[in-house]
Amino acid sequence: AQSVTQPDIHITVSEGASLELRCNYSYGATPYLFWYVQSPGQGLQLLLKYFSGDTLVQGIKGFEAEFKRSQSSFNLRKPSVHWSDAAEYFCAVGFTSGTYKYIFGTGTRLKVLA
Amino acid sequence: ETGVTQSPTHLIKTRGQQVTLRCSSQSGHNTVSWYQQALGQGPQFIFQYYREEENGRGNFPPRFSGLQFPNYSSELNVNALELDDSALYLCASSRTENTEAFFGQGTRLTVV
Repeated sequence: AQSVTQPDIHITVSEGASLELRCNYSYGATPYLFWYVQSPGQGLQLLLKYFSGDTLVQGIKGFEAEFKRSQSSFNLRKPSVHWSDAAEYFCAVGFTSGTYKYIFGTGTRLKVLA
Repeated sequence: ETGVTQSPTHLIKTRGQQVTLRCSSQSGHNTVSWYQQALGQGPQFIFQYYREEENGRGNFPPRFSGLQFPNYSSELNVNALELDDSALYLCASSRTENTEAFFGQGTRLTVV
């Protein structure tokens, strides 16, 4: 069955430090992969997506992610975190099984220290 | 181009009542999906509507039902509300049934 695992429930980093959020997925074929960000009480904003091609994808707000098929991973990175990046981050797999749907991980809550 | 809009933003219902949540899809999008996000969890797929027909359903009971209208807006109806239905309900629209989805801000439902 398809699944998405985000092993880190909470991460705390200092402003200006680098960030890596981990995501592992289980899916039989090449998945469509997404990272979303959610601020408290808000909906989901798409940061970036991977469908095919270059395995390093660039997104908004200075984020990037790398697809590694051999590790079934799609980790999100940012070289220098800003206080405004504090939010919850969700990794998702998009796939078709009768219908096209997303499976989300349980999220990683990012706290940024000034 | 307007994004996905949901109404209301918040509401409180009593156990056993019925509720209707509304979603206007993004311009040019003909597919709407609904997700339930319980506190501390990732969103879970409820169902999808494509061209006014239900096009797939997640693991939710029949008391969760929906509609899609000719203008591609959608409603989510939940009957016989239970306390565990308290969650953020997210609507997402997409250009077709198998392309990326864009999410609305959600409706926060509290069942007391």
